Amino acid sequence: QKEVEQDPGPLSVPEGAIVSLNCTYSNSAFQYFMWYRQYSRKGPELLMYTYSSGNKEDGRFTAQVDKSSKYISLFIRDSQPSDSATYLCAMRGSGAGSYQLTFGKGTKLSVIP
Amino acid sequence: KAGVTQTPRYLIKTRGQQVTLSCSPISGHRSVSWYQQTPGQGLQFLFEYFSETQRNKGNFPGRFSGRQFSNSRSEMNVSTLELGDSALYLCASQGGGASGELFFGEGSRLTVL
Repeated sequence: QKEVEQDPGPLSVPEGAIVSLNCTYSNSAFQYFMWYRQYSRKGPELLMYTYSSGNKEDGRFTAQVDKSSKYISLFIRDSQPSDSATYLCAMRGSGAGSYQLTFGKGTKLSVIP
Repeated sequence: KAGVTQTPRYLIKTRGQQVTLSCSPISGHRSVSWYQQTPGQGLQFLFEYFSETQRNKGNFPGRFSGRQFSNSRSEMNVSTLELGDSALYLCASQGGGASGELFFGEGSRLTVL
């Protein structure tokens, strides 16, 4: 079993839809949870970052972390064609001295106009 | 503020050759990490450097090596290339702080023939 599982999709939705992206993980030591967006032929860029459990909202994006279920989600409201990209979840523990991230394989999202 | 710069962006090598990839982090960032991204395995951690010292290493064979210079620039080297080394190699810099936000470059795409 991989430490982080993420459905690769592809996921195709109409413009304006609410998108839900999810990851599950097995390592209970993970404390920091992130979502990265990666456009084709580009490096990943950080979208959202959450520490421990809870919700965080930033514009059209909401990140949720449920540590009891080892489950994290990213919601995109009013999705736009410009949101078409691969979304990667990433996480790490709180140990000092390293910022190593463990990534999911990514979900490819297409938002159709 | 300039982002993370990786060179070269694209390169083609043949089996048995070696390759050196370069990364210039964001100015003021002292931590550099390297990741390998492939369609099958996703992003996998290679190594992490801080102030010229390797402080973490992923599960890759000894053919993969790296170093960091006093100006925080980093290089990674892959010797005796294999077909399976074809991948996007991503460098990320980190500026400090608890969140450990990684800023990625656009990557070096290596094709091994």
